[in-house]
Amino acid sequence: DAKTTQPPSMDCAEGRAANLPCNHSTISGNEYVYWYRQIHSQGPQYIIHGLKNNETNEMASLIITEDRKSSTLILPHATLRDTAVYYCIVRPGSSNTGKLIFGQGTTLQVKP
Amino acid sequence: SAVISQKPSRDICQRGTSLTIQCQVDSQVTMMFWYRQQPGQSLTLIATANQGSEATYESGFVIDKFPISRPNLTFSTLTVSNMSPEDSSIYLCSVRGTRGTDTQYFGPGTRLTVL
Repeated sequence: DAKTTQPPSMDCAEGRAANLPCNHSTISGNEYVYWYRQIHSQGPQYIIHGLKNNETNEMASLIITEDRKSSTLILPHATLRDTAVYYCIVRPGSSNTGKLIFGQGTTLQVKP
Repeated sequence: SAVISQKPSRDICQRGTSLTIQCQVDSQVTMMFWYRQQPGQSLTLIATANQGSEATYESGFVIDKFPISRPNLTFSTLTVSNMSPEDSSIYLCSVRGTRGTDTQYFGPGTRLTVL
């Protein structure tokens, strides 16, 4: 079973920040938080991941709470092309262990 | 990131037949995986493809139904055997451990329809 909980759906206005929450209250010390998204009919796309520090890349920012029991993915200026299902997944960091197990994710609808 | 290609991109098959899906990566990878995505559902891990040895299957998936090969560090195949309409899904190849990173990447998927 997936070890994360996400709201099933969210709306966001185009140009505004999209903040997608994720709860992972049973996360272990060696588990990273990964975010992927899947645009309709495409393979999942890697967005960002982190262990305990906040992370930022060209796509998004990841804010992890100090107790690591929850996190938020931030898309700073959402566009219509960001409409997708967003998956939050926890996984051990070692290359040879840990499976990427998908939950149901959050369907983000960006509206004009 | 890794560039992953899958063949075929889609197919329509008759029940009782088998289809082999190919996955090719543009660089050597440590791990390769196969996932299934049934209509309207999330992704489900089928198996881990191990180079030079038998694949490791997840609960609910068996080798007779989904035989997997991985002859080298850049290529794998998944066969869907004795197909039924319930096998209609998107099948996705995924890789990890390329170019010094541990990030996992996904191919574009193969959309299979079984009549």
